[in-house]
Amino acid sequence: DTGVSQDPRHKITKRGQNVTFRCDPISEHNRLYWYRQTLGQGPEFLTYFQNEAQLEKSRLLSDRFSAERPKGSFSTLEIQRTEQGDSAMYLCASSFRWGGVYEQFFGPGTRLTVL
Amino acid sequence: QQQVKQSPQSLIVQKGGIPIINCAYENTAFDYFPWYQQFPGKGPALLIAIRPDVSEKKEGRFTISFNKSAKQFSLHIMDSQPGDSATYFCAARLDSNYQLIWGAGTKLIIKP
Repeated sequence: DTGVSQDPRHKITKRGQNVTFRCDPISEHNRLYWYRQTLGQGPEFLTYFQNEAQLEKSRLLSDRFSAERPKGSFSTLEIQRTEQGDSAMYLCASSFRWGGVYEQFFGPGTRLTVL
Repeated sequence: QQQVKQSPQSLIVQKGGIPIINCAYENTAFDYFPWYQQFPGKGPALLIAIRPDVSEKKEGRFTISFNKSAKQFSLHIMDSQPGDSATYFCAARLDSNYQLIWGAGTKLIIKP
């Protein structure tokens, strides 16, 4: 499968615990994005990387959230001291400049439930 | 104003009908307008996209109409099928950092 993959697909945790999600982008895609999507809403931008550099972070990304993309390949998103409001689908997308366009291809998402 | 307003919130159409989903924006710094299709439990999948210098784009049964002066764009689905039942999102991309700003989504149901 050459698409974007995310792991785990589902995560249930208790409030206050730390969680980490992984995203593997499409090979050779140099841009990687993280979004959060709550039920009935469109995705909200969290952050993006170009290669290993984190170029932008949304104000939605509180101090409890951190993202990394070591070596410009896979990325991890960690949430510390989870809160019930963190329950959402976390989506990863990757893109590559082709024909002047960076089309974003999405993974299946990680659904987080904080009890 | 970095918002994309999408309507309707939900839509029910008979098989073979032409559902139309509308989006409007205010920010002129958008340079690319994609539509995504999302099935329950899946990530969004790119359906079709248009640049603001084009007024219409057609790919198979899907057509985007774009009105630059009105800052509006819409998705038409020809000969709709029950398999088209999904949530559709319009989005607009900022030309400064390629960040996508999303509409709230339209839940489409195609009745057999």
